[in-house]
Amino acid sequence: AQKVTQAQTEISVVEKEDVTLDCVYETRDTTYYLFWYKQPPSGELVFLIRRNSFDEQNEISGRYSWNFQKSTSSFNFTITASQVVDSAVYFCALSEAPRAGNNRKLIWGLGTSLAVNP
Amino acid sequence: ETGVTQSPTHLIKTRGQQVTLRCSSQSGHNTVSWYQQALGQGPQFIFQYYREEENGRGNFPPRFSGLQFPNYSSEMNVSTLELGDSALYLCASSFGGALSYEQYFGPGTRLTVT
Repeated sequence: AQKVTQAQTEISVVEKEDVTLDCVYETRDTTYYLFWYKQPPSGELVFLIRRNSFDEQNEISGRYSWNFQKSTSSFNFTITASQVVDSAVYFCALSEAPRAGNNRKLIWGLGTSLAVNP
Repeated sequence: ETGVTQSPTHLIKTRGQQVTLRCSSQSGHNTVSWYQQALGQGPQFIFQYYREEENGRGNFPPRFSGLQFPNYSSEMNVSTLELGDSALYLCASSFGGALSYEQYFGPGTRLTVT
């Protein structure tokens, strides 16, 4: 069975602190995709990153960075020098390999609520 | 490029009634997925439509039904509403090509069942 675990329910930091959001996944597939989405208070989920199971290179995008480690089945997300606008719920998700047709399902974690205080 | 839109934004219904939610996919996308998100929870996959056919379904009863139109917009109908159906309903569109797996979400429809 596939599963995504985000052990941190809530995190509170002060602006400019670095913060890491953890994501641990379970899957039997050898081909899969991992995602991070941001959900601000407005409710709309915003796509942040997609990583496939064959690419373990870390990725950096501005203040955001992602650390994918297959050995520990983790895909952690770090925000450097956090800002108040980063306050949101962050979801990690796992997509199984495509089946016949065009099935694109996502298995979601429960999310981590990040509060960045001024 | 037009993003994903959903209507209505908010809806209040009574138990036993039915409701229709609408979603317009992002320009160029041919796949629409629907999710239910209860308060404080992650999204739960309801079903997905690809080129007007259902292409996968989560653990939701048949009273959750949907369709996709030739322009790839989609509707979801929920019949015989229950109190537990109160949630944020999210629609996501994507392109069905093999290289693209990102889903782009609309702002959601907040359904309250009383």
